[in-house]
Amino acid sequence: ETGVTQTPRHLVMGMTNKKSLKCEQHLGHNAMYWYKQSAKKPLELMFVYSLEERVENNSVPSRFSPECPNSSHLFLHLHTLQPEDSALYLCASSSDSSSYNEQFFGPGTRLTVL
Amino acid sequence: AQTVTQSQPEMSVQEAETVTLSCTYDTSESDYYLFWYKQPPSRQMILVIRQEAYKQQNATENRFSVNFQKAAKSFSLKISDSQLGDAAMYFCAYRSAINAGGTSYGKLTFGQGTILTVHP
Repeated sequence: ETGVTQTPRHLVMGMTNKKSLKCEQHLGHNAMYWYKQSAKKPLELMFVYSLEERVENNSVPSRFSPECPNSSHLFLHLHTLQPEDSALYLCASSSDSSSYNEQFFGPGTRLTVL
Repeated sequence: AQTVTQSQPEMSVQEAETVTLSCTYDTSESDYYLFWYKQPPSRQMILVIRQEAYKQQNATENRFSVNFQKAAKSFSLKISDSQLGDAAMYFCAYRSAINAGGTSYGKLTFGQGTILTVHP
């Protein structure tokens, strides 16, 4: 695997389910991000981890719980979601070795909450 | 807070022609970075081109170039010799640099996106 991978690619869950999204980066980066992409809205930054420490939490409801066990892996644990949480969830990573700190994105997980 | 505005929800272009996608942003910072990302129907967001605010020369990557007007806070993307594979949603993004424990990471603010259709 190369770049940033995300699993699963598609997920359908009920409001009472608990599920997790997984992201893995194979680029040696030291920062990882979760974004939410809803129809007709700009990408919304949810969480940022830098060196495995959460450094940004943009007022995300507690039903979303991130976890970064090491610099290559990032999880988003989901529980008691609402239908309005249905969206494309994108993971990204970046490295401060580049002055641009450009982010590389995974293919996303399409989440549908019934 | 920074904001990024893409005023064109949709654009279309004929194959082999040139198209320009507009982007404006609002910031009080003097040093920052700007990006254009492409998201084809496959959904993978791909970096197209990047620009440093303190570089006056416009960035160019093959058929893609930007017109960066710092005073006007404008950052448009020009696609020359358009190809069918250029069809995608294009996002303009602004990067703030934030330091956390001595390590910087890039917080991106995205525009709403422009859907580009390429006609054969």
